[in-house]
Amino acid sequence: EIVLTQSPATLSLSPGERATLSCRASQSVSNYLAWYQQKPGQAPRLLIYDASNRATGIPARFSGSGSGTDFTLTISSLEPEDFAVYYCQQRSNWVTFGGGTKVEIK
Amino acid sequence: EVLLVESGGGLVQPGGSLRLSCAASGFTFSHYAMYWVRQAPGKGLEWVSGISNSGGRTYYGDSVKGRCTISRDNSKNTLYLQMNSLRAEDTAVYYCAKDLPPGNWYFDLWGRGTLVTVSS
Repeated sequence: EIVLTQSPATLSLSPGERATLSCRASQSVSNYLAWYQQKPGQAPRLLIYDASNRATGIPARFSGSGSGTDFTLTISSLEPEDFAVYYCQQRSNWVTFGGGTKVEIK
Repeated sequence: EVLLVESGGGLVQPGGSLRLSCAASGFTFSHYAMYWVRQAPGKGLEWVSGISNSGGRTYYGDSVKGRCTISRDNSKNTLYLQMNSLRAEDTAVYYCAKDLPPGNWYFDLWGRGTLVTVSS
């Protein structure tokens, strides 16, 4: 099983700041990695797939990068609605998710 | 509007069974692979099962293999998950999710989920 480790567990930032979230895989997943956003009481929403492709309707302030074992989700300037939990997911070998990073208001 | 609506969750005793349903609308259901993903209370996401668009191929996570059966009825635009021999650790919100085409195991549409509680 491919283990995805997300860091940090919690990120405390203010609106307008840049957020950088990390996802590390226990073995190479090539570029087969996605990012999801989940708000309390809601289902997850797909943000990024294949490491760097934005899903339909996702604002340009969200960007993804990386390949192999190290990936990054960047939110260039946090909007109030961006405070949420973010998960990475790989599909290289079945499907596994990371443990999540909570982006909270500082 | 594209929509997935889960139902069938509830309280069940350990060892019991439950069948979850997911009604799809607003897209051509038969064109897409579909999945179940669960989330235990306060925890992260766990992929449970997947099924090809035709229903001919099915896939299961290790934690439910042998205890769950995924199926679909394309004439009814509905996805199912039959869950048997339920355990306390199966307690979770169960989401159905649609595949981001073409069959690449990313999930671009999710339902709101149905809660399954396994407890005596």
